[in-house]
Amino acid sequence: DQQVKQNSPSLSVQEGRISILNCDYTNSMFDYFLWYKKYPAEGPTFLISISSIKDKNEDGRFTVFLNKSAKHLSLHIVPSQPGDSAVYFCAAGGSQGNLIFGKGTKLSVKP
Amino acid sequence: DSGVTQTPKHLITATGQRVTLRCSPRSGDLSVYWYQQSLDQGLQFLIQYYNGEERAKGNILERFSAQQFPDLHSELNLSSLELGDSALYFCASSLYATGANTGELFFGEGSRLTVL
Repeated sequence: DQQVKQNSPSLSVQEGRISILNCDYTNSMFDYFLWYKKYPAEGPTFLISISSIKDKNEDGRFTVFLNKSAKHLSLHIVPSQPGDSAVYFCAAGGSQGNLIFGKGTKLSVKP
Repeated sequence: DSGVTQTPKHLITATGQRVTLRCSPRSGDLSVYWYQQSLDQGLQFLIQYYNGEERAKGNILERFSAQQFPDLHSELNLSSLELGDSALYFCASSLYATGANTGELFFGEGSRLTVL
């Protein structure tokens, strides 16, 4: 049973436009959510996080929105740049301390 | 460079064999996590150690085992290997036992295991 779902395996956007990556979760006990970015031949790197007590967190071009009632979060990248092309993983965690990851969405930003 | 070192980077072996993957966490980090990424799958949490003790267990098969040594490096042992065990195995580390919740989870580059 997948607790964290990223239903879009891939997304293609034009440079300068907005990229929106979506993530759904099923476990209402999760109390923090994170996005990780992964380039080929590298390990995932932390991008941005949000606590369950917030509905928005912004860091530069990256904004994460959390809708607890819908158990849905999204990552917005504005404006998108070719260097943003990577696989993005949504992750969620609770008091245990480990993270549950989704399958990832491959973002391609075309010049 | 995350500071987490994994060896070997690539490993090819046959079914039924046993392999050991090694992870050196970032200097000072006490917690080590192991994740498996199979084809078309996300990062599956296997197991976490904190300061030498097992802290959390995920979807780790009985054929797999891990440990964290006094110098804090960790090893993941995979035995009676099957074709389906072919995957990328990531190690991550954090300072605290619950470091993952702040995003302070640092990943190595992974060990790619191919079972033929």
